[in-house]
Amino acid sequence: DGGITQSPKYLFRKEGQNVTLSCEQNLNHDAMYWYRQDPGQGLRLIYYSQIVNDFQKGDIAEGYSVSREKKESFPLTVTSAQKNPTAFYLCASSILGQGAFNEQFFGPGTRLTVL
Amino acid sequence: QQPVQSPQAVILREGEDAVINCSSSKALYSVHWYRQKHGEAPVFLMILLKGGEQKGHEKISASFNEKKQQSSLYLTASQLSYSGTYFCGTVNNNNDMRFGAGTRLTVKP
Repeated sequence: DGGITQSPKYLFRKEGQNVTLSCEQNLNHDAMYWYRQDPGQGLRLIYYSQIVNDFQKGDIAEGYSVSREKKESFPLTVTSAQKNPTAFYLCASSILGQGAFNEQFFGPGTRLTVL
Repeated sequence: QQPVQSPQAVILREGEDAVINCSSSKALYSVHWYRQKHGEAPVFLMILLKGGEQKGHEKISASFNEKKQQSSLYLTASQLSYSGTYFCGTVNNNNDMRFGAGTRLTVKP
């Protein structure tokens, strides 16, 4: 079954700790994305990557870091510099076509709570 | 800037129609529509590229007016399964993507 997996589904961390969220896809997509979703709000782009070893900042990259060492994987690290990290994090992937953004397939998300 | 969606919420009876609007202050390259059910990931509905095209499948269609920087999503003869939050995503000519805050659609029997 092709798709995107994110783990864990729920994550609790103490304030001041870095935490890494996992995102893996087996759709053979070149592009991958990280979004943050807060209650009652839309999706805000954190980072995206169109190719291995390359990524671009989105709207709200401060306090986050990513890596893209493999096509299938795009982990997101929420650092202690992120002022308000509690949120629902969604990973997505797409093929590359006209422009950087095409039909995106989303993972089930990780709900991060910082205590 | 984030695109503006209207209305914020709408309640329908099964079989009724609805229109959701999305407008941007910037020139757009494309508009994307997604639906998200509570507790689930967003699911892609359609992409419209500049050129004023209209797309659709089954009873959900959309239009894109690039001159007005607006898109509308049309839901015809709504079904219970249409309930969810609808998001538009806009991509401008600088390849920046932004999502609107969403429109919560509730379809009642």
